[in-house]
Amino acid sequence: SSELTQDPAVSVALGQTVRITCRGDSLGGYYASWYQQKPGQAPLLVIYGTNNRPSGIPDRFSGSSSGNTASLTITGAQAEDEADYYCNCRDSSVNHVIFGGGTKLTVL
Amino acid sequence: QVQLVQSGAEVKKPGASVKVSCKASGYTLISYYIHWLRQAPGQGLEWMGWINPNSGATNYAQKFQGRVTMTRDTSISTAYMEVDRLTSDDTAVYYCARDLQGGSYYFDFWGQGALVTVSS
Repeated sequence: SSELTQDPAVSVALGQTVRITCRGDSLGGYYASWYQQKPGQAPLLVIYGTNNRPSGIPDRFSGSSSGNTASLTITGAQAEDEADYYCNCRDSSVNHVIFGGGTKLTVL
Repeated sequence: QVQLVQSGAEVKKPGASVKVSCKASGYTLISYYIHWLRQAPGQGLEWMGWINPNSGATNYAQKFQGRVTMTRDTSISTAYMEVDRLTSDDTAVYYCARDLQGGSYYFDFWGQGALVTVSS
């Protein structure tokens, strides 16, 4: 089956812009979605599809895609954005879902 | 408001089964697929499968086929996920999540999670 690869950890200075990437063959055919997870909490959908934000998600979160890579960008990172971020998409070989391993974002 | 409320924590012995429930409120259960996912301690998210609450149709990840059963009771707006033949590797927080639209595989609402601990 396919895999999605994320950098294990990324850091950003408060107020700066950070990009979290997700790579995998399945991303060439399907859009990713992105989830934020804070310790002890359930994941929260922050971006899905081409670049859609659910209600209540700040507009500093945005998504993009190019070839086999999807990206989540946080423009003007805030302290409350410190969390683990997971990408997922449909597996192109079967009608299943795959997740990236997650990226731990630290806001300095 | 949309809510998914899951059953509580469980402790099971190896070889036993566990059944986790997920009660939906704030919307009609049969209108959206329910997915089940899990997260082992300190690990990432793992998708287990989905159930279409309207038809009862299911789709399981290959890893769980033959060992996981997803069902629903529409009269009480509740979905269930049962795992058989538990091992220590099944120790995890189990989540239910609603599919945003018709099998999109975008999960817009999540349950609070149910910790299942498998230990002798």
